[in-house]
Amino acid sequence: AQKVTQAQTEISVVEKEDVTLDCVYETRDTTYYLFWYKQPPSGELVFLIRRNSFDEQNEISGRYSWNFQKSTSSFNFTITASQVVDSAVYFCALSEPPTGGFKTIFGAGTRLFVKA
Amino acid sequence: GAVVSQHPSRVICKSGTSVKIECRSLDFQATTMFWYRQFPKQSLMLMATSNEGSKATYEQGVEKDKFLINHASLTLSTLTVTSAHPEDSSFYICSARGQGLNTEAFFGQGTRLTVV
Repeated sequence: AQKVTQAQTEISVVEKEDVTLDCVYETRDTTYYLFWYKQPPSGELVFLIRRNSFDEQNEISGRYSWNFQKSTSSFNFTITASQVVDSAVYFCALSEPPTGGFKTIFGAGTRLFVKA
Repeated sequence: GAVVSQHPSRVICKSGTSVKIECRSLDFQATTMFWYRQFPKQSLMLMATSNEGSKATYEQGVEKDKFLINHASLTLSTLTVTSAHPEDSSFYICSARGQGLNTEAFFGQGTRLTVV
């Protein structure tokens, strides 16, 4: 069965610090997708990244970077030089098409507080 | 990315009444739509999966007679909370995906339901 674990419930950092959000997943499939979403206080989900299981290349997008390690079933997210606007809840998610019916299962989320 | 519109964004209803939430894919045909529920400070929990023209598949523990889902067209799915009670107050989010194995699901903005 699918499972996504985000062990960090809350993280508090001071602006300009780097912060890494951890995500560990479980799946029986060899084909799957991993996602990160940001949920600001307004509630909408903001898509950040999708990574398929065959692409282990790490990715960098501005201050954001992602480290995908199949060997440890982890898909960690790092924010470099954090800013107050980064304060939000971040969800890691897993989708197992097609055996999983394309359902997306979310982790519990990590609430990030960035203080000025 | 594709656009999924959810309406209304906020709704307040009286106990015992029913409320309908719409989820529309604006620029693609959504063969599958998903409905999630999110309690305050918790993760998104999948409620049901609906495929166009067929009955929705509900997750374990979700009352299908309480949460009626209709996916009558390729661009519209509706969730009706029947005989709403205060404990149904929550944030409801839909997502929609098109055909093909390599398509991701796009999320609506969410609906905050308050039952008084």
